[in-house]
Amino acid sequence: SQQGEEDPQALSIQEGENATMNCSYKTSINNLQWYRQNSGRGLVHLILIRSNEREKHSGRLRVTLDTSKKSSSLLITASRAADTASYFCATDAYAGNMLTFGGGTRLMVKP
Amino acid sequence: EPEVTQTPSHQVTQMGQEVILRCVPISNHLYFYWYRQILGQKVEFLVSFYNNEISEKSEIFDDQFSVERPDGSNFTLKIRSTKLEDSAMYFCASSGRVYEQYFGPGTRLTVT
Repeated sequence: SQQGEEDPQALSIQEGENATMNCSYKTSINNLQWYRQNSGRGLVHLILIRSNEREKHSGRLRVTLDTSKKSSSLLITASRAADTASYFCATDAYAGNMLTFGGGTRLMVKP
Repeated sequence: EPEVTQTPSHQVTQMGQEVILRCVPISNHLYFYWYRQILGQKVEFLVSFYNNEISEKSEIFDDQFSVERPDGSNFTLKIRSTKLEDSAMYFCASSGRVYEQYFGPGTRLTVT
């Protein structure tokens, strides 16, 4: 079964720095989505990138997708303390399909 | 902005009891899902629902679980006889034609 696995598992940076998180998966995908989760809270949808897209931007977020390497990266630029959270990638095999989540990257942004 | 809502936010129940977790998906969405996250673990898929029937389910979703969309707005997950290992955060999600899945805030289920 497909799996999204994030790397690194934990990341600690200073406010203002950029944060890069990576995700790898095993099987063909239709879409890849990134979510944020604050401790003990719900999952907030950040961005979706389709399998035929290579890069997507949303505000301070930049997502890339390399289907040949079965990997994606999430870049948060000019990080803020409020960006402190866990970040997950999730993949689906076709429209309406279940999402398979990775284990997440715990990001800490120090003020 | 439309959002998925879930009730209750926290449910405590005794082992063997039935629980019903409730969700109101975003109104024009077509696909509905339940996921769960055991503390410190990955988010796991339970079941998806489309066109008034289950479209996919995982191995976790055994005969103790059921889902319903009783009135066109609510989407419920029932666990017939809860076990200690059912303790988790349960998330409802919905998606429309764009297939971005939007999650609710979750219900924390504690089975004692």
